[in-house]
Amino acid sequence: AQTVTQSQPEMSVQEAETVTLSCTYDTSENNYYLFWYKQPPSRQMILVIRQEAYKQQNATENRFSVNFQKAAKSFSLKISDSQLGDTAMYFCAPTPLVFGKGTRLSVIA
Amino acid sequence: GAGVSQSPSNKVTEKGKDVELRCDPISGHTALYWYRQSLGQGLEFLIYFQGNSAPDKSGLPSDRFSAERTGGSVSTLTIQRTQQEDSAVYLCASSLQGFRDSPLHFGNGTRLTVT
Repeated sequence: AQTVTQSQPEMSVQEAETVTLSCTYDTSENNYYLFWYKQPPSRQMILVIRQEAYKQQNATENRFSVNFQKAAKSFSLKISDSQLGDTAMYFCAPTPLVFGKGTRLSVIA
Repeated sequence: GAGVSQSPSNKVTEKGKDVELRCDPISGHTALYWYRQSLGQGLEFLIYFQGNSAPDKSGLPSDRFSAERTGGSVSTLTIQRTQQEDSAVYLCASSLQGFRDSPLHFGNGTRLTVT
């Protein structure tokens, strides 16, 4: 069975600073995609970023980027220039069927 | 275009009653997923529909839970004889192609409270 571990239940960061959320997973698949989703207090879950496992290059989406280490099965999310609107729960998902327990991120003014 | 729509947004029911939760996916999305999110927890996968294939029911916690998807579009999640531990937010998501490479588009969820 696939497992996902998000080892930081809660984190906080000052506005404009950089924060990294960790995610490790276990899968027997060789070709797969990994996703980070964000769930703000409004409850609507939205996609943050997607990484294709067979690509060496780390995905980047504006202030969001990943550090993907395939051999280590690690998929961390880096948020640069944090904004108050980044306050949310962040979930890592190596497949649509398995989500991590989430990291609650608070951005402090 | 419209996003994933779920109804009702909130449902309060008495223990032992049956409830039906509805999900209307994005038009053209062939894959549909149901999840349960208990307070402060991650998402627990319940069931997955892909096109006309038999659904993946491997996440359903008991035989009190069932779901159907009519005409490859709207889906209904039914919980029979509700228990207090069924209280949670039930999220529905759809994706364009299903599984590996397609990102999920989520609805706002239905908050179910069993009293």
